Amino acid sequence: EIVLTQSPATLSLSPGERATLSCRASQSVSKYVAWYQHKPGQPPRLLIYDASNRATGIPARFSGSGSETDFTLTISSLEPEDFAIYFCQHRGAWPPTFGPGTKVDFK
Amino acid sequence: EVQLLESGGGLVQPGGSLRLSCVASGFTFSTYAMNWVRQAPGKRLEWISSISHSGGTPYYADSVKGRFTISRDNSKNTLYLQMNNLRADDTAVYYCAKDSSSDSVNWFDVWGQGTLVTVSS
Repeated sequence: EIVLTQSPATLSLSPGERATLSCRASQSVSKYVAWYQHKPGQPPRLLIYDASNRATGIPARFSGSGSETDFTLTISSLEPEDFAIYFCQHRGAWPPTFGPGTKVDFK
Repeated sequence: EVQLLESGGGLVQPGGSLRLSCVASGFTFSTYAMNWVRQAPGKRLEWISSISHSGGTPYYADSVKGRFTISRDNSKNTLYLQMNNLRADDTAVYYCAKDSSSDSVNWFDVWGQGTLVTVSS
């Protein structure tokens, strides 16, 4: 199965700063990567699908890019509510798998 | 409001069984494929099963194949996961997740809060 790795494991930033999160696949998954946000006590929320498409209702400060094996989630200017865990998921091969997550916390 | 509400988790002994349920509201349940995804303590999320909108074509991860059965009742807007022969490594939070498509695993665009399953003697 395709293994997703995410870096960094933790990203310590302040509100207003730019966050850049990486997701790397062990083999090509074309454009078939999604990003989710997960906060404690809440269900995960789909942010980005097909590498760069924002899901319904997701603010424009969230953007995704990449293809094949390297993908990036960018939060252009962190809002207080953005401090959470972010994980990627692919559907480029069977079975779909998830990355381990990147925690974005307060510096 | 689009919502998924899981129930049925709890403590079960190794070798035992549990049935999880997930009640959907706020969308046309019968139109979408549905999934179960779990997260064991300290581990990444793991997709374990999906079922098409009509209830046919179930898919399973190798880790649960032959032990777990996914099903749905579109008249009740409810998804199920029958878990048999449970093992300690099945201990996890189990999430119900709506698929963005009708027939195959795509993206999980709505998730439930999760229900905890603990397998221990």
